[in-house]
Formats: sequence, C-alpha cells, structure tokens
Amino acid sequence: GAGVSQSPRYKVAKRGQDVALRCDPISGHVSLFWYQQALGQGPEFLTYFQNEAQLDKSGLPSDRFFAERPEGSVSTLKIQRTQQEDSAVYLCASSHNNEQFFGPGTRLTVL
Amino acid sequence: AQSVTQPDIHITVSEGASLELRCNYSYGATPYLFWYVQSPGQGLQLLLKYFSGDTLVQGIKGFEAEFKRSQSSFNLRKPSVHWSDAAEYFCAVATSGGYQKVTFGTGTKLQVIP
Repeated sequence: GAGVSQSPRYKVAKRGQDVALRCDPISGHVSLFWYQQALGQGPEFLTYFQNEAQLDKSGLPSDRFFAERPEGSVSTLKIQRTQQEDSAVYLCASSHNNEQFFGPGTRLTVL
Repeated sequence: AQSVTQPDIHITVSEGASLELRCNYSYGATPYLFWYVQSPGQGLQLLLKYFSGDTLVQGIKGFEAEFKRSQSSFNLRKPSVHWSDAAEYFCAVATSGGYQKVTFGTGTKLQVIP
C-alpha cells in the first residue's frame, strides 16, 4: 500500500509569512509524529498525535508552531511568522507495532 | 531523558570492505533501538530494530547490529559494503513504554570509494 506522503515537498517562504505543511499517514495508523531536521542534524521530535488527540507537543520550538489532526488521519503543521531559523526539513511519521514509517519530508527555506 | 551519541560524523570505506558504525545511547531502562538510513532527498528508511530477545539483530540490505547493554552500545555492521550503501545513517532510541518518543543521533555520513 501507499506510504506516508507529505506536501509540498519544497516550500520557500519570505520571513514573516505563514506556512502549512501537510502529512497523509498510512491508512489506519493511529499514531502520528512530526520531526524537524536541521541541516547536518538528526531529526528532532516536535509533536505526537494519537488519533485526533495531540498528546505531546513538548518539542514545538515556539508558539508560532501549531499542529492539528482534526479527523485522526491527515495532519497539518502550521508555522506562523516564519523566521530564518525555521529553515529545515519537516518529517512526518505514522506508527504501527512500535515502528515508525517516515514520509519524504518537506524542505522549508525561509528567506 | 534518553540520548544517542554517534561519535563518527563521516566515515569513508572502500567498496567490498567491512563497515562498523558506532552508536551509544543513554536510557534508564531497556530501550527500543533503531538504525535508519537516509539517502539525499529521501525519507528515513528503517534498517533494523531491537526491542528485546536476541541481542544480534539482522536487518535489510545485509546489515546487522548488536545490542550490548554493558557498553550501552548498538553498533551497526555490514561485512561487505556496496557503493549503493553511501548515505547517512542514524541511530535512534525510543522509550520502551508509552507512545515511543524517538530520539535520534546526529548521524554518520558514509562515503564509499571504488
């Protein structure tokens, strides 16, 4: 079946713009994670959903970052008033049987 | 909180040579351990995982890893490297309870020379 998909794959934003990044998890996967991967670094946890409930948002770097999963499937990560330090690859993963399946990521560049 | 250390930022090996990538973790209980590979522009692909049981785990693409509790290590090995193995490799640790929050190492970039 289809894996995790993310869109857009690339996003260029001017500083101060708002962006929305979409994740389509594998159908039926209850758990969904967002990670931020800065250049030359490993992915860092941002937030976790179980169905529509956001159970952990401890990794969100500021209140400009907001994530939702209103119907327990597709999730959106929104970044308001983007800053240059937000430039990174944003990875989404859905999980089954303790294994996380990753999407290809969205590369965000803030100019 | 758990943490992962990958001491080698960059490793170069000749095609056909053996490979060992080092990983040390810090976690209070028995962890869940993973190795992922990431090719340029690609997402993370799981190579292998350890949850419990046999400490030597086999993965895809001919990789294996050994969990050594006494050394808090989970090193990745491959007996003969292929040019297509050039990529970045990430070791990761997750909590063994709850929803499995994963912490990644900073990665080791593997270069394979002919």
